[in-house]
Amino acid sequence: DAKTTQPPSMDCAEGRAANLPCNHSTISGNEYVYWYRQIHSQGPQYIIHGLKNNETNEMASLIITEDRKSSTLILPHATLRDTAVYYCIVGFNAGKSTFGDGTTLTVKP
Amino acid sequence: SQTIHQWPATLVQPVGSPLSLECTVEGTSNPNLYWYRQAAGRGLQLLFYSVGIGQISSEVPQNLSASRPQDRQFILSSKKLLLSDSGFYLCAWIGNLTGTHTDTQYFGPGTRLTVL
Repeated sequence: DAKTTQPPSMDCAEGRAANLPCNHSTISGNEYVYWYRQIHSQGPQYIIHGLKNNETNEMASLIITEDRKSSTLILPHATLRDTAVYYCIVGFNAGKSTFGDGTTLTVKP
Repeated sequence: SQTIHQWPATLVQPVGSPLSLECTVEGTSNPNLYWYRQAAGRGLQLLFYSVGIGQISSEVPQNLSASRPQDRQFILSSKKLLLSDSGFYLCAWIGNLTGTHTDTQYFGPGTRLTVL
């Protein structure tokens, strides 16, 4: 599976959009980009995934660059409950995923 | 609907004692199952995965073992715990619940193990 690079931490004001970047320059053509988040002491929670096109669901939007070497997770109106560690993962080789250290997002009032 | 259970939620064990953590999945059959460990403030390390009963693959050499005695049951064990076995243990399964043709990994609530 391709590896990803994320900033270790980010802050966001409550009510504003949170934009979390992820670099995955070695992604292969058939690998998906997945985003998860983990609130303290809980299991990771699936957020969204995509292959080439931008995706949106009730939780977030995913923007993937045309060359697929990077992506951005957008939380349109961040709340205090969105404070968590966000993981960007590429590819699911029979589920043997590599979860790096992720980005710790802190939403501030 | 599919759900995944883990128990116990927390566990404190002395060094050298045995360990047994259980994970069960409901609402699906023949799932791919995974055990991860997470050290404090770090990402997830894949320990074991299983594609069927009695089929276990180990990702890293360690003091732990895994078994899959039933289709929807995955057990993580140790004969003698080490201090370094402390961590947050997560069980996961592969499902297709997002209405697409792609698989997604879903995690249980985890077990926090402290070895003293």
